[in-house]
Amino acid sequence: DIQMTQSPSSLSASLGDRVTITCRASQSIATYLNWYQQKPGTAPKLLISGASTLQSGVPSRFSGSGSETDFTLTISTLQPEDFATYYCQQSYRTPPTFGGGTKVEIK
Amino acid sequence: QVQLVESGGGVVPPGRSLRLSCRASGIIFKTYVMHWVRQAPGKGLEWVASISYGGDDADYADSVKGRFTVSRDNSKNILYLQLNGLRADDTAVYYCAKEGVFRGFDYWGQGTPVTVSS
Repeated sequence: DIQMTQSPSSLSASLGDRVTITCRASQSIATYLNWYQQKPGTAPKLLISGASTLQSGVPSRFSGSGSETDFTLTISTLQPEDFATYYCQQSYRTPPTFGGGTKVEIK
Repeated sequence: QVQLVESGGGVVPPGRSLRLSCRASGIIFKTYVMHWVRQAPGKGLEWVASISYGGDDADYADSVKGRFTVSRDNSKNILYLQLNGLRADDTAVYYCAKEGVFRGFDYWGQGTPVTVSS
């Protein structure tokens, strides 16, 4: 199975901060990398697919980059509604696998 | 709009069975690969199973292979997950999800909780 390693596992940030979350795959996955946001008690929400394609309705302050094994999710200006847990997921090979998550908390 | 609504979760003792359902609306259900993903309390996301458009091909996580069975009824727009031989470590919220471009999961249900406890 392809292992996905996210870092950091948690971070504290202030409103307006630029936040970067990284995700590393144990082998090349081209750009079959997806990012999700999950708030407590709710289902995950797809933010970015194909490493950099923003889903419809997702604010432009979210962006994704990377290919092969190294990927990044960036929130350019942190807003109150962005405090959540973020997961990366590879869809290159079955089984699809998720990173361990990054919890973004208020500083 | 797309809606996925799960049902069938509950509290069961170890070794028992349960069948989860996911009713889809707002999509041409028969044209999409569908998945089940679970999340144990306080833990991350774990893919469980997937099923092809026509229902003739399925894949499973090693942790559930031989115990869980995914199926679909395209005439009713319903996805199923049969859970047999339930164990305590199967306790989780179970989500159904639709596969989209780049095989990401672009729509999710609200989840149905399964608790395995004596």
